[in-house]
This record gives sequence, C-alpha cells and structure tokens, in this order.
Amino acid sequence: GQNIDQPTEMTATEGAIVQINCTYQTSGFNGLFWYQQHAGEAPTFLSYNVLDGLEEKGRFSSFLSRSKGYSYLLLKELQMKDSASYLCAATNTDKLIFGTGTRLQVFP
Amino acid sequence: DAGVIQSPRHEVTEMGQEVTLRCKPISGHDYLFWYRQTMMRGLELLIYFNNNVPIDDSGMPEDRFSAKMPNASFSTLKIQPSEPRDSAVYFCASSSRGPTMVNEQFFGPGTRLTVL
Repeated sequence: GQNIDQPTEMTATEGAIVQINCTYQTSGFNGLFWYQQHAGEAPTFLSYNVLDGLEEKGRFSSFLSRSKGYSYLLLKELQMKDSASYLCAATNTDKLIFGTGTRLQVFP
Repeated sequence: DAGVIQSPRHEVTEMGQEVTLRCKPISGHDYLFWYRQTMMRGLELLIYFNNNVPIDDSGMPEDRFSAKMPNASFSTLKIQPSEPRDSAVYFCASSSRGPTMVNEQFFGPGTRLTVL
C-alpha cells in the first residue's frame, strides 16, 4: 500500500523555528520531496532527499530516515511569508504520492 | 519561459456538461502530469505523459475522465459528463525528467472547477 502522513495544521511565531514531520509508506521508494503552496497558488519545489541525513538550503532544511520511513522539514527564522501549506511527497515506483499537506500559520 | 500555462483559470458549469481543461507545458519538458487537489484528498495524480504518450492513468477516477496530448506543447483533460463531486482545483505540471528522478515538477496556476 501507500500512505503519507503529516499534521494538518501548525502554528508558530515570527522568528521561531518549526519542524514539520512526515511519515511515509510506499513501494519502490526513491526519495522524498517537499513542496510549498501558498493559498490559491500552485505548489513550488523546496527540497529533495534521496539519502539519509540533513539537506540544508538557506533557512530551510529537510531530513530523511529511510529505515524509519520518516522525514521532516525544518524552517528557521520564520517570516510571515512562510505562512503556507507544506506538502510532503514520496516516490512510489514511478510516480509521486503527495500527503494532504500541513498548513502553517506564522503569527507576529 | 512563461512557465506552465493552464486555461481556464476558473470554470463554473452545471452537472452533466462537458468540461475541457487545457495545459501548455514548459518547452523542452518531456513529462506532463495532471493532478487534482481537494481539501479531503489532497493532491492526487490523475495521469502522466512521457513524450506525448500516456504512461500511467491509474489515477483517473472513472471513464468520465479522459486526457490527451496531441503534441509536445499541448494537453487536455476532459470530463464528460461532469458531476458536483468533480469540483476541485486541477493542476498541470511538467518536468524534464521522470517523476522519481532528482528533478522538480513545475506546476501551472491551476484551474478551479466548480460543478453545480
């Protein structure tokens, strides 16, 4: 089977750090993607992990543990513009399976 | 490049009517994907093409849905007849490599479909 789980909603304060978790179960797993989607807009690519460990890209980092079927997206120095949905997507043989997304609200 | 182009951006129609959604992928991208997004089910892959050939249509909900890609720069998703439960945002995406490769998919702005 295939399953992607992530929290529905999270809140955080401007300047803080937030971690969005994702657990996945797919067959033919190759890697894990994170996309950002602002309300009413299209998803945009944030990161991709294929090996275990942490990938850092500016204020955003993504972690993968293949043995645990687990990933997280870490957002540092939160800004108001980071308020958006964050979609976790795992490869399943020959396609991407998306989670339903985590809606993050950043408050001043 | 202008990015992935979709039309129309909004479509309101009545149950039973035919709906056609259009997509122009980024030039040079060999892969084209159609997704549907709802609050309940999130982003679901409906079908994808490689070099204009449908590769996997297992996500197409039922026979009322059909998709074509007559050439490298144009694809359509058709719903006939439409039903209220088809109301969703439909995204088209394109990429230069396969869906499981280290490669991002570029999404169009989406078509918000409302079936009354």
